[in-house]
Amino acid sequence: NAGVTQTPKFRILKIGQSMTLQCTQDMNHNYMYWYRQDPGMGLKLIYYSVGAGITDKGEVPNGYNVSRSTTEDFPLRLELAAPSQTSVYFCATSTLEGSNQPQHFGDGTRLSIL
Amino acid sequence: AQSVTQLDSHVSVSEGTPVLLRCNYSSSYSPSLFWYVQHPNKGLQLLLKYTSAATLVKGINGFEAEFKKSETSFHLTKPSAHMSDAAEYFCVVSDLYGNKLVFGAGTILRVKS
Repeated sequence: NAGVTQTPKFRILKIGQSMTLQCTQDMNHNYMYWYRQDPGMGLKLIYYSVGAGITDKGEVPNGYNVSRSTTEDFPLRLELAAPSQTSVYFCATSTLEGSNQPQHFGDGTRLSIL
Repeated sequence: AQSVTQLDSHVSVSEGTPVLLRCNYSSSYSPSLFWYVQHPNKGLQLLLKYTSAATLVKGINGFEAEFKKSETSFHLTKPSAHMSDAAEYFCVVSDLYGNKLVFGAGTILRVKS
């Protein structure tokens, strides 16, 4: 019953460092998403993927990169961490069958850039 | 483009009293609408969704929402609040193809004993 697993749960980075946020799912969902959540702002879409090998930008992609080599994994990369990237990051998945399917969320990664 | 406005950033109710969380949407087509709940330090969980079937939608934990096209609203209600309902609630609209979501800013619900 793992669903969507995000690692790490917490991380503190220094400005200019890089890191990869991991997201893996065991539900065989084709669609995967990365969001960031800032206080009072709801969730903003960073990148999404409709299947292995296919990714596209969301609303706030600057400063991030993604890859999707398998159905299960969708890592998010920060190359040069900046204080503005301090946020809570959520990975989510949904099925391909039909539109308007609910998204399933991981528990988030809380990232601080100092 | 579609958008969502949650009219209250914070709502406080007493345990056992009704809950009303207000949401207005804007969409150029017939939208799909969702309510998600987020408990502290957790991901979001789907409460209910509207996809052009019945206008009154029932969800988990006794919540329901009514789609009113004339008012472009999708308010979330519950007849009697429980302490465990304390959380942040998000009203969400999907894009035309139903695969990308646009989130409201959230409403924090506080339940007093």
